[in-house]
Amino acid sequence: NAGVTQTPKFQVLKTGQSMTLQCAQDMNHNSMYWYRQDPGMGLRLIYYSASEGTTDKGEVPNGYNVSRLNKREFSLRLESAAPSQTSVYFCASSEFGFTDTQYFGPGTRLTVL
Amino acid sequence: ELKVEQNPLFLSMQEGKNYTIYCNYSTTSDRLYWYRQDPGKSLESLFVLLSNGAVKQEGRLMASLDTKARLSTLHITAAVHDLSATYFCAVVIQFYFGTGTSLTVIP
Repeated sequence: NAGVTQTPKFQVLKTGQSMTLQCAQDMNHNSMYWYRQDPGMGLRLIYYSASEGTTDKGEVPNGYNVSRLNKREFSLRLESAAPSQTSVYFCASSEFGFTDTQYFGPGTRLTVL
Repeated sequence: ELKVEQNPLFLSMQEGKNYTIYCNYSTTSDRLYWYRQDPGKSLESLFVLLSNGAVKQEGRLMASLDTKARLSTLHITAAVHDLSATYFCAVVIQFYFGTGTSLTVIP
């Protein structure tokens, strides 16, 4: 059982470039999440998808877009990367919404130059 | 604005001694999580506290929740090296994480 997987593990971008972070879960969970983790700030929710077909903004959505491709997959897109988006990005999933335990992927370390 | 504050932010613990990490939050919530993160790794769920007065224990870690005080504590008994990690509390509104407590056990 792989749990939550993310690709890539590391990425370096130049300012203005675009990229998509991929996330997949094999636990048949309904809800999926994208967080960013910055030093001294804990994790902050970017977007979430409570169920297949729905997406909603979290605490820090600006500069990002998401797609819930199907029940398993939830991608995060940076259309025009900025140095302020240098961070570690975590995808997570839970069975039903925020009241269930979230299971986290291994993270993607993104550097924007 | 919702705030979830942990203290201390950094904690050097001597092996064998007891310590407590505090998590304060600024709005009503009846559910609180504790997570552990090892350096360069992802987050692992430790406890979920579902109601006022809830207490959960596993090994040397014990977590409690006081929803009236908007306070959760993570108590470490007789610290050992394996407990060195960063510990986060998280409050369910959407899902707001505390700033994290980086914990180092020194011999």
